Amino acid sequence: EAGVTQFPSHSVIEKGQTVTLRCDPISGHDNLYWYRRVMGKEIKFLLHFVKESKQDESGMPNNRFLAERTGGTYSTLKVQPAELEDSGVYFCASSHGDGREQFFGPGTRLTVL
Amino acid sequence: QKEVEQNSGPLSVPEGAIASLNCTYSDRVSQSFFWYRQYSGKSPELIMSIYSNGDKEDGRFTAQLNKASQYVSLLIRDSQPSDSATYLCAVIGGGSYIPTFGRGTSLIVHP
Repeated sequence: EAGVTQFPSHSVIEKGQTVTLRCDPISGHDNLYWYRRVMGKEIKFLLHFVKESKQDESGMPNNRFLAERTGGTYSTLKVQPAELEDSGVYFCASSHGDGREQFFGPGTRLTVL
Repeated sequence: QKEVEQNSGPLSVPEGAIASLNCTYSDRVSQSFFWYRQYSGKSPELIMSIYSNGDKEDGRFTAQLNKASQYVSLLIRDSQPSDSATYLCAVIGGGSYIPTFGRGTSLIVHP
């Protein structure tokens, strides 16, 4: 069974540019989560999808971040325009059932210069 | 604000020894507790989950939960160099399904 995949693995962009991150969850997992880890800090929750619906987006830092999950399969996280403080590793995770046990992807390391 | 605290380490143990990793949490109504292992540059991998007080064993790993004292620990018996990684503690509070993570403890198992 394929795990959670994320693309790209690394992205280096300049301040003000736009970046789109993609996550493909484990097949059949209705729950999809986005997290971010800033250097030296803990992994922080951004938002949660159940199928194509946003269940909880309380962790999204501001309106420069837009997440979508069309058709309830893969998800994208767009940052527009990117700022220096957006740098970090963005993880995606998926789960089934009650969602407590989550499976993580390898992350996308975003560097904003 | 819910907090999960871990000693950042590194915790260094010799091969074959028992490694003990600890985690404390602030939310008294927390219900679900998890340990993830993360190798450098890789994804966090769920290795243990525990939901009730006491011990839970899985191979060389034992998770221990004490809700009264608000701590959860992970014991790794017969530590191997391949166990060298960062171990993340995650806690889900009552009425939630979103984990709060600690910053992780770096474990080094030396031959």
